[in-house]
Amino acid sequence: GENVEQHPSTLSVQEGDSAVIKCTYSDSASNYFPWYKQELGKRPQLIIDIRSNVGEKKDQRIAVTLNKTAKHFSLHITETQPEDSAVYFCAASNPSGGGADGLTFGKGTHLIIQP
Amino acid sequence: KAGVTQTPRYLIKTRGQQVTLSCSPISGHRSVSWYQQTPGQGLQFLFEYFSETQRNKGNFPGRFSGRQFSNSRSEMNVSTLELGDSALYLCASSFDRGRIGTEAFFGQGTRLTVV
Repeated sequence: GENVEQHPSTLSVQEGDSAVIKCTYSDSASNYFPWYKQELGKRPQLIIDIRSNVGEKKDQRIAVTLNKTAKHFSLHITETQPEDSAVYFCAASNPSGGGADGLTFGKGTHLIIQP
Repeated sequence: KAGVTQTPRYLIKTRGQQVTLSCSPISGHRSVSWYQQTPGQGLQFLFEYFSETQRNKGNFPGRFSGRQFSNSRSEMNVSTLELGDSALYLCASSFDRGRIGTEAFFGQGTRLTVV
């Protein structure tokens, strides 16, 4: 089955700097890559996603890039703000995957924004 | 529209007891998945139900079981509780248009503490 590795597990950056979280996946059949943000005590919520026919997608301060050949995708957050502090999960979806709509999640990255 | 609803929000049980958790998906969503979340372990997939059938199952012992009703509401049951079962249990629903990759919506979770 699919295996998703996520790094780093903890990331601390100064407010205003950029943050990058990286994920790799194993199954070349995976075709959908969402990112979820989970604030303390809250449910995970989708913040951005990308499909396998697209290399990059941006939404204001966040962007996701996908390299299908290398099987890795990354989340980029620019001009970080205190409200960006949260745990971020990457995921990969493929037709034979086991989770919600075939999603396999990474273990998460705890992003800490230092004032 | 109403989001994914999980009940109860908090539970305290004693070792050896059993527990049933409930999840009501977003109206129209047919897929419901369950995840166990513990610190450092991310979102570990338990099982997925679609149209009252278990479609996939993660690597959890048989003490963990679930079902889905005709209205798509789902329950999961854990028998003979162990201390290690203490975790946040999240369910996620999705419309599931044939595994093409759609957003999974999470509930607030049930915090289970086994003492």
